[in-house]
Amino acid sequence: AQKITQTQPGMFVQEKEAVTLDCTYDTSDQSYGLFWYKQPSSGEMIFLIYQGSYDEQNATEGRYSLNFQKARKSANLVISASQLGDSAMYFCAMREKGTGANNLFFGTGTRLTVIP
Amino acid sequence: ETGVTQSPTHLIKTRGQQVTLRCSSQSGHNTVSWYQQALGQGPQFIFQYYREEENGRGNFPPRFSGLQFPNYSSELNVNALELDDSALYLCASSLETGAVNTEAFFGQGTRLTVV
Repeated sequence: AQKITQTQPGMFVQEKEAVTLDCTYDTSDQSYGLFWYKQPSSGEMIFLIYQGSYDEQNATEGRYSLNFQKARKSANLVISASQLGDSAMYFCAMREKGTGANNLFFGTGTRLTVIP
Repeated sequence: ETGVTQSPTHLIKTRGQQVTLRCSSQSGHNTVSWYQQALGQGPQFIFQYYREEENGRGNFPPRFSGLQFPNYSSELNVNALELDDSALYLCASSLETGAVNTEAFFGQGTRLTVV
C-alpha cells in the first residue's frame, strides 16, 4: 500500500484565491511527521510546512496552513491568497518513527497552476 | 537557498556505463540521504548515510552504492546504467536526532539521462 496518496495530478487556481491540495497517508506508527514541499521547475525541494502526529493544533506558516485530520489520516495543504510564483509541483511526505533510516516517503505530487 | 550543493547539474551517459554524483551537505549536518525522482513521480528513497555509515536503504539494487566522507559530503555511484535510471537525483542533508520532525534540506538535484 502507498504510504502517501495525492489524488490530484493537477490543480488550477485564480490569483488571490485559496486552494486546497489533498494528501492522505497510511501508517501504523503512533509517532510520525508530515511535510509539504514545493518543487519549482529548477528541481530543488523547498520545505513549506510540518505537522507532527501529536500536534493538537493545525500547523500554519504564513500563507500555508495544514488541515490535519488524524482519524481520517489526511493532511491537506491550504494555500491562501495564491500568487503567480506559487505555480509549481507540491509534494506531501511522511517520516515515521521506525527503526533504521529516518527517511521521507513522498506522494506523486500535485501540479498547481495559478492563473492571472 | 539551502546550502546543499550537487554536481553536476546535468549528465548524459550511455547504457552500461558508470556514473558518480556528488553532494556537499549543509554545514553542521551529519546525515545525507539520496532520492531518485523519475519523470512525473515523487522522490524515492535510495539510501542514507549517517556519520560515514549506510544506515538505511530503499528498494534499489546493489549497483546503487554510496559513500560519505569525514566532512559529511557524499557520493552516489551507479554501475551498469540502465535506461530506467534516467531521473533527477536529489541529495538531502539533515542533522539527525531520530526525531520525526527532522527537517531535510535538499539540493537542486542532478538530472541524469541514460541513452
